[in-house]
Amino acid sequence: DSGVTQTPKHLITATGQRVTLRCSPRSGDLSVYWYQQSLDQGLQFLIQYYNGEERAKGNILERFSAQQFPDLHSELNLSSLELGDSALYFCASSVGSGLEQYFGPGTRLTVT
Amino acid sequence: DQQVKQNSPSLSVQEGRISILNCDYTNSMFDYFLWYKKYPAEGPTFLISISSIKDKNEDGRFTVFLNKSAKHLSLHIVPSQPGDSAVYFCAASEVQGAQKLVFGQGTRLTINP
Repeated sequence: DSGVTQTPKHLITATGQRVTLRCSPRSGDLSVYWYQQSLDQGLQFLIQYYNGEERAKGNILERFSAQQFPDLHSELNLSSLELGDSALYFCASSVGSGLEQYFGPGTRLTVT
Repeated sequence: DQQVKQNSPSLSVQEGRISILNCDYTNSMFDYFLWYKKYPAEGPTFLISISSIKDKNEDGRFTVFLNKSAKHLSLHIVPSQPGDSAVYFCAASEVQGAQKLVFGQGTRLTINP
């Protein structure tokens, strides 16, 4: 158990819909990262937040957005969902901008 | 453009023998490297890391070697155990830049009894 929690574990929704994925980092970690793992793909970095502020952006679509709240939990919002958005979405956290990131169990999103 | 490559999608090793997983990178700005292990239906678990100022880092049965000139790193597991069967991801980052991890595609390691 990494100490990073993600909810929900599974999510099934239809095209065009909007969903919110939630992540709680390890106690004391200020940085939260979001990654996407599509079928047969490696993990792709989406976005990083540090203490409530966006720190780095990767290959994140404009339909996707994220935020980190004062209690340090983070939410990833995915809108106008397409079939290709079906993937595992992982959240990770680290102390400060530490390079060793600890991953949550992921949310499996299925868009039908 | 894949900056971190794991060219072997799978590897099968006998229990007790050495497992060697390889990783190549192309971005010369990478100066910190990590290995993660992933079981099905779980998130990646951090295993071991190495800074570019070192060429070797050891932690129990796991050793990571870095060859900067060849832009190559490897993970050695000795002795291999059945519980080591998992997908192993190599990842790289820049210490001074954005601390995003760039992952390879993963190698599925199977340890045979």
